[in-house]
Amino acid sequence: DAKTTQPNSMESNEEEPVHLPCNHSTISGTDYIHWYRQLPSQGPEYVIHGLTSNVNNRMASLAIAEDRKSSTLILHRATLRDAAVYYCNFPLYGGATNKLIFGTGTLLAVQP
Amino acid sequence: NAGVTQTPKFRVLKTGQSMTLLCAQDMNHEYMYWYRQDPGMGLRLIHYSVGEGTTAKGEVPDGYNVSRLKKQNFLLGLESAAPSQTSVYFCASSLGLLNTEAFFGQGTRLTVV
Repeated sequence: DAKTTQPNSMESNEEEPVHLPCNHSTISGTDYIHWYRQLPSQGPEYVIHGLTSNVNNRMASLAIAEDRKSSTLILHRATLRDAAVYYCNFPLYGGATNKLIFGTGTLLAVQP
Repeated sequence: NAGVTQTPKFRVLKTGQSMTLLCAQDMNHEYMYWYRQDPGMGLRLIHYSVGEGTTAKGEVPDGYNVSRLKKQNFLLGLESAAPSQTSVYFCASSLGLLNTEAFFGQGTRLTVV
């Protein structure tokens, strides 16, 4: 199965930008890159997704490398509420396989 | 708009007992998933469904069975619970797979003693 690689943990200060990296060297040309986050004691929630060009929404920005083997989730101004585990993944599909697999994610700590 | 609802939220089972976890979504989504999350770990896919009447195995399917008789419901069954199945179980649904977001329930905390 396809794999993503993320740092186990990162720290940030409140109101500073945060750049969360993800490597996905096995991604194919038509795979969308998805990011989810999981706040403490909650279910995961969708953050953003993209294919090739950079994407922005109210929560974050997604910067995708030109070769698509890596991406970076950008939180422009971290708040205490952004402390969570951030997961980078891409759906697996083809033949009888259509599924969304999660890796171990990055635990983001935000200091006041 | 309820989204994805999991029932029950908490349950304690004795080893060998059986139970069914219910996941219901009201968004007319085709795809539904069951994950488990052990303490301090990431999510692992148990089973999934790409439409009504279909099911498929994920990463860790042993000891679990699923059914998707109605599009809006995805049931996860434990036939003979074991302590190793103590975990938090999350259900998710999505309209499609590649270019759509998945919505998650709030989880079911299961303890097998």
